[in-house]
Amino acid sequence: AQTIHQWPVAEIKAVGSPLSLGCTIKGKSSPNLYWYWQATGGTLQQLFYSITVGQVESVVQLNLSASRPKDDQFILSTEKLLLSHSGFYLCAWSPGPNERLFFGHGTKLSVL
Amino acid sequence: GDQVEQSPSALSLHEGTSSALRCNFTTTTRSVQWFRQNSRGSLINLFYLASGTKENGRLKSAFDSKELYSTLHIRDAQLEDSGTYFCAAEEAGGYKVVFGSGTRLLVSP
Repeated sequence: AQTIHQWPVAEIKAVGSPLSLGCTIKGKSSPNLYWYWQATGGTLQQLFYSITVGQVESVVQLNLSASRPKDDQFILSTEKLLLSHSGFYLCAWSPGPNERLFFGHGTKLSVL
Repeated sequence: GDQVEQSPSALSLHEGTSSALRCNFTTTTRSVQWFRQNSRGSLINLFYLASGTKENGRLKSAFDSKELYSTLHIRDAQLEDSGTYFCAAEEAGGYKVVFGSGTRLLVSP
């Protein structure tokens, strides 16, 4: 069975500090990977997607970047956090295009 | 405007009653997915539909790709059905999935 693991579970960071969030998928080779952001009480906004190692496409610009260093790993990062980066970050995977999305448990980020 | 319009934004049900959620799409969408998010933030994928209807226990979903809408019916609501329900539409190309604004469902005794 496939599993998706996100880390950390929660972060409290200062404005201007760097950030790195991670996501690992086990049990599925070459998954499509996605990063989503959710404001408190809001909807999910897609940030990035990746269909293969080393290739990441940006969907919306939020002063964040993403990388896929390994087939099963997706990283979200920034060098300088903004207050507006606070929220809930969710990693997701699908077997391919036009297939179901499966989400990790998310990372709650508070920027102070 | 928003590509995915979801209604209602909030819904209260008593146990044992039934209701429906709806999503309208402003552009052609290849497929629709329905999710439930619990209080801890975890999202469960309830349905994936490219067309037609699917049923799973007390939940039933339909997708009309020509009329550009999807529905999620909840029958005999239970306390554990409480949460926020999202529909999501897949754009052509298969890599962009746009979420609706969500329906907050509260089921009470």
